[in-house]
Amino acid sequence: EPEVTQTPSHQVTQMGQEVILRCVPISNHLYFYWYRQILGQKVEFLVSFYNNEISEKSEIFDDQFSVERPDGSNFTLKIRSTKLEDSAMYFCASSASRSRAAPEQYFGPGTRLTVT
Amino acid sequence: GNSVTQMEGPVTLSEEAFLTINCTYTATGYPSLFWYVQYPGEGLQLLLKATKADDKGSNKGFEATYRKETTSFHLEKGSVQVSDSAVYFCALGFTGGGNKLTFGTGTQLKVEL
Repeated sequence: EPEVTQTPSHQVTQMGQEVILRCVPISNHLYFYWYRQILGQKVEFLVSFYNNEISEKSEIFDDQFSVERPDGSNFTLKIRSTKLEDSAMYFCASSASRSRAAPEQYFGPGTRLTVT
Repeated sequence: GNSVTQMEGPVTLSEEAFLTINCTYTATGYPSLFWYVQYPGEGLQLLLKATKADDKGSNKGFEATYRKETTSFHLEKGSVQVSDSAVYFCALGFTGGGNKLTFGTGTQLKVEL
């Protein structure tokens, strides 16, 4: 069964460093998302991406964040200068279409980012 | 704005007990509603969904009914198993835009023998 994969599973970085979180969405999917979950809090939407453009972003997704689909398979989230409060589990998701009803999103296992 | 409220966890049950995890939502318009499950060390998996009022979503013995009048989507299972131990997330989503999902905080379920 196709699945979304994410690497690394755990990333430790120092404050101020750049990190890139990687995701391989399901191959025939067209829509890609990043969410994050700070420990003990809600899963929060960060950004959605379609046709090589950001479709929507939340207020969390400021200038320190960027997304890219550098090739036909990967989808990346970059944080330019990490802060302590960026420590969270980051989930990538993909979906096949924007159906009339909200489409099913398929999630990866997450990358736990720890900023020290 | 849109929001989802779930009952606090952890919920601890004995095997074969009846499960209810409450979920209520606040939204402008008529969202689709979802339950996702996260098993230890894994990603979020869609468990079931309902796209309009009075729809019942069901999967693996779990079910939830979209109640517009009470803005609820409570998850139920008649007889839980140890393998159901996981974190359950209620979520809502709309068509249009980036189709983002709005999640609740998650409810951890522990099922013991």
